[in-house]
Amino acid sequence: AQKITQTQPGMFVQEKEAVTLDCTYDTSDPSYGLFWYKQPSSGEMIFLIYQGSYDQQNATEGRYSLNFQKARKSANLVISASQLGDSAMYFCAMREQGAQKLVFGQGTRLTINP
Amino acid sequence: EAEVAQSPRYKITEKSQAVAFWCDPISGHATLYWYRQILGQGPELLVQFQDESVVDDSQLPKDRFSAERLKGVDSTLKIQPAELGDSAMYLCASSLRGSGANVLTFGAGSRLTVL
Repeated sequence: AQKITQTQPGMFVQEKEAVTLDCTYDTSDPSYGLFWYKQPSSGEMIFLIYQGSYDQQNATEGRYSLNFQKARKSANLVISASQLGDSAMYFCAMREQGAQKLVFGQGTRLTINP
Repeated sequence: EAEVAQSPRYKITEKSQAVAFWCDPISGHATLYWYRQILGQGPELLVQFQDESVVDDSQLPKDRFSAERLKGVDSTLKIQPAELGDSAMYLCASSLRGSGANVLTFGAGSRLTVL
């Protein structure tokens, strides 16, 4: 069964610094996708970045990049040059090709200090 | 930009009452999901539709929860009777059919408080 683990309940970072949010996963399906979502205090889930299990290069989207280490089953999110507006909950999620459902981790609360 | 519409945004009810949530997915999205998110936790899938058919409702408490998507477009999630432990955010999402790479687009959610 697919499982996502986020071991950092909370992170505190100074504005303009880079931050890495950890995510490890477990699956027996060779084909899967990894997603990161941001959830501000208002509650909506905002898609950030996607990495496919067969993608050769790490995904990047603006200030977001995904450090994909397939052998270690990790998919860490890196946010460069953090901004105050980055303060939110961040969720790692995985979807196996066969299962179709998106399974989420417990989340990490990121706080950016001025 | 296309959005997933949900209503109501907030609902306060007493236990044993009935409550219903509505979701209108992005036009053309065949797959619709209902997730429940308890405060401080990640969302958990309650039910997934492909068009009008349920493809996964393994985590739906079927004694009190029901969901339908009669014409394969909008959907309703019902709880009857509501219990204190049902207090949570109910998130609806939709995606294109098929590929596991398809991104889920979420609505703003419906926050339920059961007193």
